[in-house]
Amino acid sequence: QSVLTQPPSVSGAPGQRVTISCTGSNSNIGADYAVHWYQQLPGTPPKLLIYGNRNRPSGVPDRFSGSKSGTSASLAITGLQAEDEADYYCQSYDNSLTVRVFGGGTKLTVL
Amino acid sequence: QVQLQESGPGLVKPSQTLSLSCTVSGGSISSGGYYWSWIRHHPGKGLEWIGYIYYTGSTYYNPSLKSRVSISVDTSKNQFSLKLSSVTAADTAVYYCARNPPEWWFDPWGQGTLVTVSS
Repeated sequence: QSVLTQPPSVSGAPGQRVTISCTGSNSNIGADYAVHWYQQLPGTPPKLLIYGNRNRPSGVPDRFSGSKSGTSASLAITGLQAEDEADYYCQSYDNSLTVRVFGGGTKLTVL
Repeated sequence: QVQLQESGPGLVKPSQTLSLSCTVSGGSISSGGYYWSWIRHHPGKGLEWIGYIYYTGSTYYNPSLKSRVSISVDTSKNQFSLKLSSVTAADTAVYYCARNPPEWWFDPWGQGTLVTVSS
């Protein structure tokens, strides 16, 4: 059971907008620790997608955006493309466990 | 552009010690400013952060694994290494090495190496 809770799967048609939630608690996201997001394409390692809640590394399209409120964070993907089909993970810090923690991952299917 | 590559045995017997190395290219571990972490991904489950090392040798381990984990650094080889003792089938996972800044995201990651614990 992951400390950060994500939906196991989401789906959307090409061109649509999807969001992936990441729900934590007052010892991690709610304690104002930053949330980061990773994209893992099949057969590849996770790749940093969003850092510091809402910042995109160079090369990441602006179709990807992150937000945070209270004890939750969200990743939004607009203009969905077939190449976006991947697993997505959120990550933060938990001050009760004193470790970096990850969500269980969400599989995005592009219909 | 910094790249990381894991290496080590893909099969370890129960009760033995898992040993992996991560070679860094395109940048020097000794230049400082970054921590160097190990993360694992159990089949069908989430990601688990194992611990980190700084180039000075300072370490921090996940409390859930602390009694069995050791991470070391060899700056002359630009490598850092993981040892996990007394392994069981529950330690079967893909092991990744990754770089992280003080702000604590992980980027980049190595390609990952599958380690299976089995007799």
